[in-house]
Amino acid sequence: SQQGEEDPQALSIQEGENATMNCSYKTSINNLQWYRQNSGRGLVHLILIRSNEREKHSGRLRVTLDTSKKSSSLLITASRAADTASYFCARTLGGSQGNLIFGKGTKLSVKP
Amino acid sequence: ETGVTQTPRHLVMGMTNKKSLKCEQHLGHNAMYWYKQSAKKPLELMFVYNFKEQTENNSVPSRFSPECPNSSHLFLHLHTLQPEDSALYLCASSQDSPSEPQHFGDGTRLSIL
Repeated sequence: SQQGEEDPQALSIQEGENATMNCSYKTSINNLQWYRQNSGRGLVHLILIRSNEREKHSGRLRVTLDTSKKSSSLLITASRAADTASYFCARTLGGSQGNLIFGKGTKLSVKP
Repeated sequence: ETGVTQTPRHLVMGMTNKKSLKCEQHLGHNAMYWYKQSAKKPLELMFVYNFKEQTENNSVPSRFSPECPNSSHLFLHLHTLQPEDSALYLCASSQDSPSEPQHFGDGTRLSIL
């Protein structure tokens, strides 16, 4: 299957704690993107990391990519209740015109 | 304001009805997409349009018919749907290619009776 797996499927933490979500895949990628989806809303793009990059930051978000292990992680530091959402990784397969392949997502719940 | 607007937000229809979903983007993007999101399943790409031309039809049944009259508008015409077609239908756009960050609308929640 071209689809990867997010791990864990669900994560519940307290406000202020860090949240780590992982994404694994099976085929070579062009880039990998992370998206957030609040309940009843569309997806929002968070970060894009290219296959030749190892780490990217955006505010409280940190994304790492290990192409040798075919895995990526999304770290949210100092989580807030507003971070409660589903988080998806999406991979672009070989070639710049490749379509996005989404995983099933991690449902994050941040309790105040 | 997400830049991508979908209407209607909710739609209930019988299996014999014909309806259309509308998507409009105000971002000046050249590529637009339809996705289907069902419970406990990954987001499924349905159609890809690039500069108004359909470049991908991901084995979607013919009861779903897309239309892209210009780079800003995308429609999904529905007819003779099945109960398993009940889902959230999301429209997205990107500047030129699917590998770039995509901007999503809030979707149309479709229920088939």
